[in-house]
Amino acid sequence: DQQVKQNSPSLSVQEGRISILNCDYTNSMFDYFLWYKKYPAEGPTFLISISSIKDKNEDGRFTVFLNKSAKHLSLHIVPSQPGDSAVYFCAASNSGTYKYIFGTGTRLKVLA
Amino acid sequence: NAGVTQTPKFRVLKTGQSMTLLCAQDMNHEYMYWYRQDPGMGLRLIHYSVGEGTTAKGEVPDGYNVSRLKKQNFLLGLESAAPSQTSVYFCASSSGTGDYEQYFGPGTRLTVT
Repeated sequence: DQQVKQNSPSLSVQEGRISILNCDYTNSMFDYFLWYKKYPAEGPTFLISISSIKDKNEDGRFTVFLNKSAKHLSLHIVPSQPGDSAVYFCAASNSGTYKYIFGTGTRLKVLA
Repeated sequence: NAGVTQTPKFRVLKTGQSMTLLCAQDMNHEYMYWYRQDPGMGLRLIHYSVGEGTTAKGEVPDGYNVSRLKKQNFLLGLESAAPSQTSVYFCASSSGTGDYEQYFGPGTRLTVT
């Protein structure tokens, strides 16, 4: 049973436009959510996170939104740049456990 | 400050052979993790450790063993490799003190024939 789902395997966006990546979860015990970015042949790198006590967190061009009632979070990238082309993973945790469950990833391609 | 390093970067094994993957971190992190990444499956947690001398099972622990004899090192062992263990393996660490960010190594690509 996939507790964290990224239903879009891939997404293409024009440079300068907004990229929206989505993530759904099923476990109501999750209270901390993270987004990672992964380039080919490299390990994932941390991008942005959000606690369940918030509904929005912003860091430069990246904003994560959390809708607890819908068990849904999204990552917005504005404006999108070609260097943002990568695979994006969302991850969820029950903060008491420090274990992370990852989604299957969304491959973002930003077209110049 | 090298962060998280993994040894080796690539390895080809024959079915039934054994090997150990080494992960090292120099950030004095308490928590360490081993994941595998397979196409369409995302990152799945194999085993993790919340401190020196401790280990715990993750989502897919079968066929793997781990040890954390030193705080900075986390070893992943395959006693009898199977083709189903062909994957890319990532090690990660985190401080475990309120900062939930994980720092990942560059990965080890393992092929079992």
